[in-house]
Amino acid sequence: DAGITQSPRHKVTETGTPVTLRCHQTENHRYMYWYRQDPGHGLRLIHYSYGVKDTDKGEVSDGYSVSRSKTEDFLLTLESATSSQTSVYFCAIKDRPNTEAFFGQGTRLTVV
Amino acid sequence: DAKTTQPNSMESNEEEPVHLPCNHSTISGTDYIHWYRQLPSQGPEYVIHGLTSNVNNRMASLAIAEDRKSSTLILHRATLRDAAVYYCILKRGGSEKLVFGKGTKLTVNP
Repeated sequence: DAGITQSPRHKVTETGTPVTLRCHQTENHRYMYWYRQDPGHGLRLIHYSYGVKDTDKGEVSDGYSVSRSKTEDFLLTLESATSSQTSVYFCAIKDRPNTEAFFGQGTRLTVV
Repeated sequence: DAKTTQPNSMESNEEEPVHLPCNHSTISGTDYIHWYRQLPSQGPEYVIHGLTSNVNNRMASLAIAEDRKSSTLILHRATLRDAAVYYCILKRGGSEKLVFGKGTKLTVNP
């Protein structure tokens, strides 16, 4: 596997609490992505980063914020978790334009 | 972002070739065609990508129509391990956004 670690791998949290998911890479890749995957919706892009402190919104960014203060870490924060944010979250990394992206193993988040 | 259209599901038999279609009639000249697949309970993995010419790699071949409005991912000899959801993605040149659709679920019968 490419050097991507998502943490935690599983989390159960209560509605209204803040949650931060971490994506850590050891590949020094420039691009990093956060996706969520729900039954019937496939993968949907939340945010992506094209460099340290450079981020952009994806298709479903409402309710999510991201930060990338160093190359190796891309954090996804749910400021106030809602049940609709129960999902599997995938992180991906990519080195250069028009090359392959590598995905992490996913984080299963349940908001009760 | 330009959209892609794929069949929801397809079936094939083990050791036979599989042709997975993708329509992208609104493709622009700088859009790259990428394919990823997702095995059960795993993150997606890259399969192949191309711009205008057909492409081959160890996993698959990508055939791109002359007008670029459609493409076909070809698995030359399907194995049970190829059972997955296959995603066809258009990536705009100059942007590294990767936007997935719902993909095609491929079932491989023994």
